[in-house]
Amino acid sequence: EPEVTQTPSHQVTQMGQEVILRCVPISNHLYFYWYRQILGQKVEFLVSFYNNEISEKSEIFDDQFSVERPDGSNFTLKIRSTKLEDSAMYFCASSVGTGLIRSQYFGPGTRLTVT
Amino acid sequence: EDQVTQSPEALRLQEGESSSLNCSYTVSGLRGLFWYRQDPGKGPEFLFTLYSAGEEKEKERLKATLTKKESFLHITAPKPEDSATYLCASGGYQKVTFGTGTKLQVIP
Repeated sequence: EPEVTQTPSHQVTQMGQEVILRCVPISNHLYFYWYRQILGQKVEFLVSFYNNEISEKSEIFDDQFSVERPDGSNFTLKIRSTKLEDSAMYFCASSVGTGLIRSQYFGPGTRLTVT
Repeated sequence: EDQVTQSPEALRLQEGESSSLNCSYTVSGLRGLFWYRQDPGKGPEFLFTLYSAGEEKEKERLKATLTKKESFLHITAPKPEDSATYLCASGGYQKVTFGTGTKLQVIP
């Protein structure tokens, strides 16, 4: 069964450093998303991406964040200058596309620890 | 602002003891209501999508139902392996708003 994959599973970085989280969405999916979950809290939407551009973003997704689809299979989230409060699980998700709402399928997550 | 509220926060059941989890939502332009299962340290695992009031979906011991303002996840004769956090979410084509989840523990 196709699945979303994410690397690395755990990333430790120092405050102020740049990190790139990587995702490989399900191959025939057209919409891609990033969410985060701070320990003990709910899953929060960050950004959605379609047709090589951001289609919606939350207030969390400020200028420190960026997304990119550098090739036909990868989807990345970059945090330019990490802060302690960026420590969280980051989940990538993908869905088939428009029309009748399609369910979002999530990857296993990357645990980001900022020290 | 879209809101999804789940209750109870935690539920402890004996194996075989059926129960229901509740999800109430206030969203604009609802397109879908989603149920996910999340195990500790893992990503949400898709269970169901419901589109319209009156709709029902089933998978093994789980059955999801939808009204205009609420959704229920019914668990029939649960087993210990059903222990997890169950997440409800609602949304449109883009953003999905999650509730805080119901942590279910099924005791043998």
